[in-house]
Amino acid sequence: DIQMTQSPSSLPASLGERVTISCRASQGISNNLNWYQQKPDGTIKPLIYYTSNLQSGVPSRFSGSGSGTDYSLTISSLEPEDFAMYYCQQDASFPPTFGGGTKLELK
Amino acid sequence: EVQLVESGGSLVQPGGSLKLSCVASGFTFSNYWMDWVRQTPGKSLEWIGEINTDGSKTNYAPSIKDRFTISRDNAKSTLYLQMSNVKSDDTAIYYCTRFDREDFDYWGQGVMVTVSS
Repeated sequence: DIQMTQSPSSLPASLGERVTISCRASQGISNNLNWYQQKPDGTIKPLIYYTSNLQSGVPSRFSGSGSGTDYSLTISSLEPEDFAMYYCQQDASFPPTFGGGTKLELK
Repeated sequence: EVQLVESGGSLVQPGGSLKLSCVASGFTFSNYWMDWVRQTPGKSLEWIGEINTDGSKTNYAPSIKDRFTISRDNAKSTLYLQMSNVKSDDTAIYYCTRFDREDFDYWGQGVMVTVSS
């Protein structure tokens, strides 16, 4: 299985701040990398697919980039509703696997 | 509006069985592959398995080791997860998800399964 490692596991940040979450795959995944947001009530929402494509309805302050084994999710200016858990997921190789998550919390 | 609503979660004893259901609405259920993903307490997400549009093909995570079976009833727009010989490690929130070409684009609210004697 491809292992997905996210960093940091916890990220204290302030409103309006720009933040970046990293995700590293144990082998190349050819941009088959997705990002999800999980709110405290457990609700999971897709954010970005295939490295950099925003899902419908996702604000433009979210962006994704990367290649090979290294990928990132950037939020350009934090809004109150952005404080949540974030997970990356690879879909390049069976079985699909998720990163360990990053908790974005208010500083 | 797309909705996925899971049910059937409960407390079950080790070695027991349980069947989860996920009722879909707001889209043509029979057009999509469907998956189950679980989240263990305090841990990340783990993909369990998938089923194709007509239910003729399933794939499972190796860790499941033939204990779980995914099925669907397109006439009822319902996805199922039959869990057998459950272990304490199966304690988790189970999510039903829709797969759309690239990613899991809709998720249910999740249902809790607790394995304990």
